[in-house]
Amino acid sequence: AQSVTQLGSHVSVSEGALVLLRCNYSSSVPPYLFWYVQYPNQGLQLLLKYTSAATLVKGINGFEAEFKKSETSFHLTKPSAHMSDAAEYFCAVSGALGNNDMRFGAGTRLTVKP
Amino acid sequence: DSGVTQTPKHLITATGQRVTLRCSPRSGDLSVYWYQQSLDQGLQFLIHYYNGEERAKGNILERFSAQQFPDLHSELNLSSLELGDSALYFCASSVGVADTQYFGPGTRLTVL
Repeated sequence: AQSVTQLGSHVSVSEGALVLLRCNYSSSVPPYLFWYVQYPNQGLQLLLKYTSAATLVKGINGFEAEFKKSETSFHLTKPSAHMSDAAEYFCAVSGALGNNDMRFGAGTRLTVKP
Repeated sequence: DSGVTQTPKHLITATGQRVTLRCSPRSGDLSVYWYQQSLDQGLQFLIHYYNGEERAKGNILERFSAQQFPDLHSELNLSSLELGDSALYFCASSVGVADTQYFGPGTRLTVL
């Protein structure tokens, strides 16, 4: 069974500052890992995904995440926050093959201060 | 725009009633997933269909059921509705069973 834990339900940064959203996973099989973003009153949009290729994954809008097996982590970063980055971010994990039963973390709400 | 469509966008109904939510996957996608998002439970996986057959079940109540039709659209049926069923219901689709899921805009259900 797979699960993810997102550390920090709320993160606040200043515009131009580094964004770091934390995600740790638990999986009995090699995981597929995802970050999704949800803007107010909208559905989830895929930011990036890890599927056992390169450990550093680049996504849209300047975000990237690094898969660290030794730390069972998949933290999301962006060097410089923009006001438009304010949203809810979800980390998710699914099994590599077969049953694509995706499990989501509780989400982290990112606030960007001017 | 993910290419996944959901109708209706909003639904207001009373306790004890039954509703049907509809989802059309992206062109070419064979898998459809349903999720429930509420403040207290977060984002919960409900059920997964692949090419018309149930593939996986998550935290789906017995009062809820779903199906995927030959044209690959899916419907989620919620019956004997309770106040606690008020939530956002998302549909997602993917090409196969282990591919990236693309989410629809959701249906907001309010049970009064």
